[in-house]
Amino acid sequence: DAGITQSPRHKVTETGTPVTLRCHQTENHRYMYWYRQDPGHGLRLIHYSYGVKDTDKGEVSDGYSVSRSKTEDFLLTLESATSSQTSVYFCAISGVDSSYEQYFGPGTRLTVT
Amino acid sequence: GQQVMQIPQYQHVQEGEDFTTYCNSSTTLSNIQWYKQRPGGHPVFLIQLVKSGEVKKQKRLTFQFGEAKKNSSLHITATQTTDVGTYFCAGNTGGGNKLTFGTGTQLKVEL
Repeated sequence: DAGITQSPRHKVTETGTPVTLRCHQTENHRYMYWYRQDPGHGLRLIHYSYGVKDTDKGEVSDGYSVSRSKTEDFLLTLESATSSQTSVYFCAISGVDSSYEQYFGPGTRLTVT
Repeated sequence: GQQVMQIPQYQHVQEGEDFTTYCNSSTTLSNIQWYKQRPGGHPVFLIQLVKSGEVKKQKRLTFQFGEAKKNSSLHITATQTTDVGTYFCAGNTGGGNKLTFGTGTQLKVEL
């Protein structure tokens, strides 16, 4: 498995509280992604990064922000968590070769009560 | 925006039976990738198809990319219990690194 870790792995939080999820890679890959996975929806892209301080929105970015101050770290922040953001969050990385295959982290299960 | 649909959503088979999942995109794809996710696990890359009409095999798995580059299929011959999981296709419309994932097909294999 690629060197990707996510923290925390599980979190329960209350509605309205801020939450930050961390993705850390040791592969020096350029691209990093945050997805959420919900039953019946597959994987949906929240935000992605194509380099340090370079980020862009995915298809479900409302309510989320990201930051990437170092190549190895990509942070996902829920400014004010809502119950609709209860989900499993996956981080992924990919390199700069032509295939752009993505390697996924182990996931973070977030529950907003 | 781009949509990628997969059918069926679920499939139960007896061990030894064949299995196929189909992926359809609303737009032409520059390439398509397939991933497998075991229960409780994370998606794992299986293969990428790039050329129109391309067929690739990995042991009992056969992947096809349609002539119009808008659909793809994954066929498993003689399923085994180790094939259990959810299979996702993911399409790339060009311009680099963003993928749109299909909704997935969950495969269960019974002895």
